[in-house]
Amino acid sequence: DARVTQTPRHKVTEMGQEVTMRCQPILGHNTVFWYRQTMMQGLELLAYFRNRAPLDDSGMPKDRFSAEMPDATLATLKIQPSEPRDSAVYFCASGWGPIYEQYFGPGTRLTVT
Amino acid sequence: DQQVKQNSPSLSVQEGRISILNCDYTNSMFDYFLWYKKYPAEGPTFLISISSIKDKNEDGRFTVFLNKSAKHLSLHIVPSQPGDSAVYFCAASGLDGGATNKLIFGTGTLLAVQP
Repeated sequence: DARVTQTPRHKVTEMGQEVTMRCQPILGHNTVFWYRQTMMQGLELLAYFRNRAPLDDSGMPKDRFSAEMPDATLATLKIQPSEPRDSAVYFCASGWGPIYEQYFGPGTRLTVT
Repeated sequence: DQQVKQNSPSLSVQEGRISILNCDYTNSMFDYFLWYKKYPAEGPTFLISISSIKDKNEDGRFTVFLNKSAKHLSLHIVPSQPGDSAVYFCAASGLDGGATNKLIFGTGTLLAVQP
């Protein structure tokens, strides 16, 4: 049963600390997306990779957020330094371009105090 | 500026009746639309989609209708079941002519199906 995995599932940290979230896309998928779920905005796209190359990170605050794909089996989203307003659920999704359907991981719930 | 809007934050329906979830979009360049369902503490899961060349797509109890002139789509669930209780997200794609498969999501509608 192929699925997207994300670690950690929950993270509580203090303001100013670095946070790293990890995602393992479905084997064979060549597109990876990072989303943030908020009540007001729904699912906001933060960054998007195709074949490990970043295609769009316009949704990310560049001064503190960074997204990378060190290899085809791992995508990371890093926040440094973290702030209370970053508290949200972060989802990773993968897909096979140009098919539009995306497959989501279970999310990382981040709380910054 | 929300390009995909779900104006009803919540909807309550009796079991066995029809659930109708609505979605509006602002950009006529969107050419593919999807519905996702999300249970608490899980990621969204793909439910059904429709291309702009169609006005209806059906999959079992789920039917999506697209009205391009009104820039409106709806998801019908018939009959509704308690297990359908979840948040439903509408999403759209195609602004970049298919160069990417990026999706624009709405804010979601919480459906509660009462037994």
